[in-house]
Amino acid sequence: SAVISQKPSRDICQRGTSLTIQCQVDSQVTMMFWYRQQPGQSLTLIATANQGSEATYESGFVIDKFPISRPNLTFSTLTVSNMSPEDSSIYLCSVEVQGVSYEQYFGPGTRLTVT
Amino acid sequence: GNSVTQMEGPVTLSEEAFLTINCTYTATGYPSLFWYVQYPGEGLQLLLKATKADDKGSNKGFEATYRKETTSFHLEKGSVQVSDSAVYFCALSENYGQNFVFGPGTRLSVLP
Repeated sequence: SAVISQKPSRDICQRGTSLTIQCQVDSQVTMMFWYRQQPGQSLTLIATANQGSEATYESGFVIDKFPISRPNLTFSTLTVSNMSPEDSSIYLCSVEVQGVSYEQYFGPGTRLTVT
Repeated sequence: GNSVTQMEGPVTLSEEAFLTINCTYTATGYPSLFWYVQYPGEGLQLLLKATKADDKGSNKGFEATYRKETTSFHLEKGSVQVSDSAVYFCALSENYGQNFVFGPGTRLSVLP
């Protein structure tokens, strides 16, 4: 398993500003993922972040809006840029742990409200 | 592509009632199947998993059996508690852990 922390846990931001969310893992992992969970909805994958390479974005998500850094095997950041109220969501990072199956473990999430 | 379908919620039960949350999936290969639970105000926690047909995952009194013939992975618990109130997500993964797909989630409320 893996223990994952996220900062901040929640924030209220004004439209047009940007917020950077940090994700820290207690062990080295190859693959990290960023998800968005809109109110009352399931999880939507934003991007996959591998250390040493550019993040891979899912359809509907672009690097200019959600730039991601992955400087080492235990840390990643997601920035939500030029925010609008539609960006109000919970943002979760997860890591893949390889074993018998490929499980994902999640951080506690960052609850973002854009006013 | 791959997809996961869950029963519509919310589900409201009395304490000690029997719980079933249906989950069916569509996949091109042979996925691993998972149930995740999200308690109020928290992130997702892995509840149980099964990696091949006829496997039964179990944890905290919850069980789910990987049924390849019906492409299902229904979650069951014999006697729910108030503390089980949460949102439950069925999920699958294949292709070496990528392409993780979540169902829409089912909100469970257990009343004392």
